[in-house]
Amino acid sequence: DQQVKQNSPSLSVQEGRISILNCDYTNSMFDYFLWYKKYPAEGPTFLISISSIKDKNEDGRFTVFLNKSAKHLSLHIVPSQPGDSAVYFCAASTPSGGSNYKLTFGKGTLLTVNP
Amino acid sequence: DAGITQSPRHKVTETGTPVTLRCHQTENHRYMYWYRQDPGHGLRLIHYSYGVKDTDKGEVSDGYSVSRSKTEDFLLTLESATSSQTSVYFCAISEYRGMQYFGPGTRLTVL
Repeated sequence: DQQVKQNSPSLSVQEGRISILNCDYTNSMFDYFLWYKKYPAEGPTFLISISSIKDKNEDGRFTVFLNKSAKHLSLHIVPSQPGDSAVYFCAASTPSGGSNYKLTFGKGTLLTVNP
Repeated sequence: DAGITQSPRHKVTETGTPVTLRCHQTENHRYMYWYRQDPGHGLRLIHYSYGVKDTDKGEVSDGYSVSRSKTEDFLLTLESATSSQTSVYFCAISEYRGMQYFGPGTRLTVL
């Protein structure tokens, strides 16, 4: 049972335009969400996060929106740059209790930004 | 960058042989994780550790074991490697909830 879903395996956009990556989740206990970016032959790196008490978080060109009622979050990249071409993973976490600091990841979306 | 190294970075082995992957951190983070990444599956948690000698299973733990005898080292062992364990393995560390820092990965091929 996939609790975090990224239904678009790939996305292609033109440089300078907006990239929108989507993520849906099914576990209503998730209350903290993260986006990671991964280049080939490297480990994933943290990009941006959002707590369920917010509906938007912005960091430079990157904005994450959270719609709790729809169990949906999206990552907006404006403007998109060729260096943004990478695989983007959505991840979610439940409230920690004791030793549970696990993340559940989606399958990832390959973003290609064309010059 | 968080101080995480993985060794080896690449390994080719044969079915049935034991394999141990090492994750070493210099950040003194309490939590350590092993993931595998496969096409069409994203990142899946194999095992994790919440302290020295404290470990637990993730969603794809069958065929894998782990050990953590020191804060800085987390070992992943494939007792008898199978071709289905061909994958890229990532170690991650964290000190706070949610934020995990990943190592560079180990590409393992089981022939």
